Amino acid sequence: DVKVTQSSRYLVKRTGEKVFLECVQDMDHENMFWYRQDPGLGLRLIYFSYDVKMKEKGDIPEGYSVSREKKERFSLILESASTSQTSMYLCASRPTGQGRNQPQHFGDGTRLSIL
Amino acid sequence: ILNVEQSPQSLHVQEGDSTNFTCSFPSSNFYALHWYRWETAKSPEALFVMTLNGDEKKKGRISATLNTKEGYSYLYIKGSQPEDSATYLCAILRGQGGSEKLVFGKGTKLTVNP
Repeated sequence: DVKVTQSSRYLVKRTGEKVFLECVQDMDHENMFWYRQDPGLGLRLIYFSYDVKMKEKGDIPEGYSVSREKKERFSLILESASTSQTSMYLCASRPTGQGRNQPQHFGDGTRLSIL
Repeated sequence: ILNVEQSPQSLHVQEGDSTNFTCSFPSSNFYALHWYRWETAKSPEALFVMTLNGDEKKKGRISATLNTKEGYSYLYIKGSQPEDSATYLCAILRGQGGSEKLVFGKGTKLTVNP
């Protein structure tokens, strides 16, 4: 089974801190994604990466950056955390090429609170 | 921006009832439609990936149909059980080459009362 592991289930940080959310997948998937989920707004894409060192902005990239130095790891960075970034963050991975019609695999999520 | 619409937003049914929800999407440039089940405190779990007009897929008591010409998919649950309580998400695959992404609807939250 594909395993997508997020480094923390719950995280509490302070306004202005630089925050790192880590995600690791074990199936050699090319595509990795970061979403946030807020009540009434559904899953919104922050950033995604289709290869090492490649990244593309999603629908709500403001205030975030990402890093993909190795294929299995995709990091989400909150440069200067704000209370508006309190949310549930989900990482996901999916293969490309022949696997483009394969489902996406999600981590368990990180509930981040910014005080 | 592509809009994927799901209805209803939430649904309460009694154990044993059958139910269905709708996912609507623009029919142009269709590649694939995904359904996921998201239970509280767990990660979203894939139910179906559908690619062809007229596709029907089944997994136990859950089934789905796809109409790409008119831009909708139905998810059916037969004889709902309390363990079916979850948010059901649909998503459309968008993009080209390797940079493809899923665009999600806001979900239908199902509560099955015992």
